[in-house]
Amino acid sequence: DVKVTQSSRYLVKRTGEKVFLECVQDMDHENMFWYRQDPGLGLRLIYFSYDVKMKEKGDIPEGYSVSREKKERFSLILESASTNQTSMYLCASKDWGPSYNEQFFGPGTRLTVL
Amino acid sequence: SQQGEEDPQALSIQEGENATMNCSYKTSINNLQWYRQNSGRGLVHLILIRSNEREKHSGRLRVTLDTSKKSSSLLITASRAADTASYFCATDATAGKSTFGDGTTLTVKP
Repeated sequence: DVKVTQSSRYLVKRTGEKVFLECVQDMDHENMFWYRQDPGLGLRLIYFSYDVKMKEKGDIPEGYSVSREKKERFSLILESASTNQTSMYLCASKDWGPSYNEQFFGPGTRLTVL
Repeated sequence: SQQGEEDPQALSIQEGENATMNCSYKTSINNLQWYRQNSGRGLVHLILIRSNEREKHSGRLRVTLDTSKKSSSLLITASRAADTASYFCATDATAGKSTFGDGTTLTVKP
């Protein structure tokens, strides 16, 4: 069974803290994605990665950075958390190639920044 | 801005009825996908339709695509309480990257 796991389901942090959200996939997928989901705004792409050590900005990269040192792991970093980064964060992975379109999602991390 | 926009935002029906939700998008696409999300969980892929297809079926799901109108619809027939979830369309215009709509929240009353 394919699996994408995220390090925490719920996380509470304080303003200014550095926050790490971890995502691991066991499907040997090349592509990995980080989204945030807010009511009324749907899913918005923060960053994605086509391969190890490669990253591309999505639609809302400001205030975030990412790291992909190993193929199976994609980390989202909030350098200095702010209250407007309170959100649900979803990680996804996808195989490479025009025949592979389905994204596999993790269960999400609900982050609250106080 | 979001490529896909779902309509309606919310839909409430009785068990056994059919549910139809629509998705509109703005630019040319390679394919369009529908996903489902149960409350507080990640998204699960339901069905994909390619730009050269007009209709596709999978169990109780029927998806149509009209590229001239840049729109798609998802029909769930004989709905069940377990179909209660949010449904999202996602379009692939750029290789590797999908753009998601805002979703339709479906409530099926037993």
